Amino acid sequence: DGGITQSPKYLFRKEGQNVTLSCEQNLNHDAMYWYRQDPGQGLRLIYYSQIVNDFQKGDIAEGYSVSREKKESFPLTVTSAQKNPTAFYLCASSMVAQETQYFGPGTRLLVL
Amino acid sequence: KNEVEQSPQNLTAQEGEFITINCSYSVGISALHWLQQHPGGGIVSLFMLSSGKKKHGRLIATINIQEKHSSLHITASHPRDSAVYICAPRANTGNQFYFGTGTSLTVIP
Repeated sequence: DGGITQSPKYLFRKEGQNVTLSCEQNLNHDAMYWYRQDPGQGLRLIYYSQIVNDFQKGDIAEGYSVSREKKESFPLTVTSAQKNPTAFYLCASSMVAQETQYFGPGTRLLVL
Repeated sequence: KNEVEQSPQNLTAQEGEFITINCSYSVGISALHWLQQHPGGGIVSLFMLSSGKKKHGRLIATINIQEKHSSLHITASHPRDSAVYICAPRANTGNQFYFGTGTSLTVIP
């Protein structure tokens, strides 16, 4: 059963804490993406990666970091520098960049 | 500034009605993605199209690149179609998708 998984479904962050959101895909896709969704706004691109060991900043990369050590995995770290992290985070992948994107179920991050 | 405008923002329909959701954009694009977001948050890709029309079951998507407009139609709507529908044009250059804020559809039995 191919697809994208994200974990956890809900994540709580304390002040000054870094947290990492997991994204795994077994679709053999080269490109992976992280988006942030806030109420009343469209999805905004945080980071994307077209190939292993390479990634590019999106529109709102400040306060976030990523890694792409394996093709299947693209974890997102929300650092303490991100002052407004409460949002719904979606991971997506595509066979190659610019093609149809497949989305994971999302992680909702809340600040305590 | 919004590169993508969707209308209507909210739509309530009776089961069986024909539904149209519109998307206009202001940037040059090479294709356009229609997405469906379920109440739990998961997003499903419905169509990616760059010209003309595509049909899948009761869903039909059309696009006119020159007029910078796309529509998503749902025939014989059903309560399970209740979701947020998102238009996402793909930029001509780079790897950017622009995302609309979505149209929230509720289909009443």
